[in-house]
Amino acid sequence: GAVVSQHPSWVICKSGTSVKIECRSLDFQATTMFWYRQFPKQSLMLMATSNEGSKATYEQGVEKDKFLINHASLTLSTLTVTSAHPEDSSFYICSALLGGRSQPQHFGDGTRLSIL
Amino acid sequence: QKEVEQDPGPLSVPEGAIVSLNCTYSNSAFQYFMWYRQYSRKGPELLMYTYSSGNKEDGRFTAQVDKSSKYISLFIRDSQPSDSATYLCAMSGGGATNKLIFGTGTLLAVQP
Repeated sequence: GAVVSQHPSWVICKSGTSVKIECRSLDFQATTMFWYRQFPKQSLMLMATSNEGSKATYEQGVEKDKFLINHASLTLSTLTVTSAHPEDSSFYICSALLGGRSQPQHFGDGTRLSIL
Repeated sequence: QKEVEQDPGPLSVPEGAIVSLNCTYSNSAFQYFMWYRQYSRKGPELLMYTYSSGNKEDGRFTAQVDKSSKYISLFIRDSQPSDSATYLCAMSGGGATNKLIFGTGTLLAVQP
């Protein structure tokens, strides 16, 4: 069964608004979660690594003020897209490590974000 | 040159066929190798996870890793229409960040 839950699965909003996406680990504690972005027919692009209780580590080219990540508990990480614009429309996917760093990542079902 | 190369397909096979999916990579530091299946508009689902070289079998799926050739494979036996999806290879060095490097994915269509 699913070990990572992501919400919402689809959101449509107007340009200029902020959107929050939640990623929860089910039945396990995840000290590390990851946020990815995926464009149609392309592979996953890592945006940032989220560690519980500390600041997220962003990949080169990802605006940290645009994509705010909060990992306030061992089961929840959130991604907030601030002042969203149409070019931010994409499929956002989170993942969590089930166990230590040598363990594979388990992914949520993604959030389809459409900015009008 | 990309760190991980994967033929994007599409690959179309008849039901019951054996499917072979492959990735090559350039970074010899990779130690952990994964195959994920992704259905349209869904997140990737972990299929196989292997460490270092060797084979691993799980039901109809077999994963092979050849570190000397920097080549990994996923075989699907008795393929079913429900196997139609995009298959992503991924790998990591297992270091402090445990970042995954993904292939571009291969789109597979199993025809009934």
